[in-house]
Amino acid sequence: TQLLEQSPQFLSIQEGENLTVYCNSSSVFSSLQWYRQEPGEGPVLLVTVVTGGEVKKLKRLTFQFGDARKDSSLHITAAQTGDTGLYLCAGVSYNTDKLIFGTGTRLQVFP
Amino acid sequence: SAVISQKPSRDICQRGTSLTIQCQVDSQVTMMFWYRQQPGQSLTLIATANQGSEATYESGFVIDKFPISRPNLTFSTLTVSNMSPEDSSIYLCSVGGQGEGQYFGPGTRLTVT
Repeated sequence: TQLLEQSPQFLSIQEGENLTVYCNSSSVFSSLQWYRQEPGEGPVLLVTVVTGGEVKKLKRLTFQFGDARKDSSLHITAAQTGDTGLYLCAGVSYNTDKLIFGTGTRLQVFP
Repeated sequence: SAVISQKPSRDICQRGTSLTIQCQVDSQVTMMFWYRQQPGQSLTLIATANQGSEATYESGFVIDKFPISRPNLTFSTLTVSNMSPEDSSIYLCSVGGQGEGQYFGPGTRLTVT
């Protein structure tokens, strides 16, 4: 079974702090996506990265796809309370072409 | 992008009963997906529903327990049959390409007592 492990599992920080969430696997993915899910809502797609080493920026969020396409990171600069939510990475397996979701990181940003 | 609605948004059901969840998309799509999200956990794919053919189920999920209908290109239903407390979860439908990203409905929060 392919696994996408996210770390940390929980993160509680104050507004203005920086943070990084990691998404790791021993498997290769043809692309990787990041989602944010708020309570009572479905996950919302933030970004898709497809090239090894690719870096994408979305305002205060920076996403990186590992060179070997087995891992990814999400860095948030100067976190805001609106960043609170469950962050999920999801990778399309290079072997099976199926989308696999990571274990999730629950972020709480306090004012 | 796509706008997806689900009904009901939440329900509390008794053990042994069945619940049908509806998913409506604002545009025609070939594939629709059904996921389960257990409390505090990530998403697990239940099945893929293509219009005009039987749904494809993932390992651990069977048609008798989770029958799916896909009568047209904008609508699908998932039934959770003969429910037990272990079926208490959020059920989500989504559309989109595997590589391009998924668009999710708001989910149906099911509690089985």
